[in-house]
Amino acid sequence: DGGITQSPKYLFRKEGQNVTLSCEQNLNHDAMYWYRQDPGQGLRLIYYSQIVNDFQKGDIAEGYSVSREKKESFPLTVTSAQKNPTAFYLCASSIGVANEQFFGPGTRLTVL
Amino acid sequence: GENVEQHPSTLSVQEGDSAVIKCTYSDSASNYFPWYKQELGKRPQLIIDIRSNVGEKKDQRIAVTLNKTAKHFSLHITETQPEDSAVYFCAASTTGANNLFFGTGTRLTVIP
Repeated sequence: DGGITQSPKYLFRKEGQNVTLSCEQNLNHDAMYWYRQDPGQGLRLIYYSQIVNDFQKGDIAEGYSVSREKKESFPLTVTSAQKNPTAFYLCASSIGVANEQFFGPGTRLTVL
Repeated sequence: GENVEQHPSTLSVQEGDSAVIKCTYSDSASNYFPWYKQELGKRPQLIIDIRSNVGEKKDQRIAVTLNKTAKHFSLHITETQPEDSAVYFCAASTTGANNLFFGTGTRLTVIP
């Protein structure tokens, strides 16, 4: 299970606050991804990055932002513009697109 | 873009019986089809994958079949055990795409 980590495991946020979720990998993977998981809805792609200093919006990018300044790091910021941020957030990385994605342990975000 | 549909959403089987989960995809250019298993509260992990140049792949009690003409692929688990209980996700991707497209998941329960 090692190689890709996320922190914190649980996060609580007040409405109107921005919060940043950490994702780090030491697998030397070029591609990294952020997914949101809600009960019964599977994995929905928020943002992805195929290479350092480049990232693209996924299906549900509104209210989120990312950066990819280093190959091993892909932090996700949940902004106050995200109307329903309570969810389980998963980060993943892969050598390339059509290859196995390795997932982090996830961060459960709760808005109070 | 690609659309992946997965059925059934829930599946209960008796221990020792077989379980089959089916997925369809829309993009005929898709050529990589992984299956992930997610146990409760844990990260998704790859259990088997298949590429479009083969029709079937087996790994002990798990097998995946691919029908490119009909654009569907299936996961077969034989001699099910209680530890097989989890949510299973199928996915599809093409070399030209930027990410995996996931199905909505199947919650498998193996009854002892």
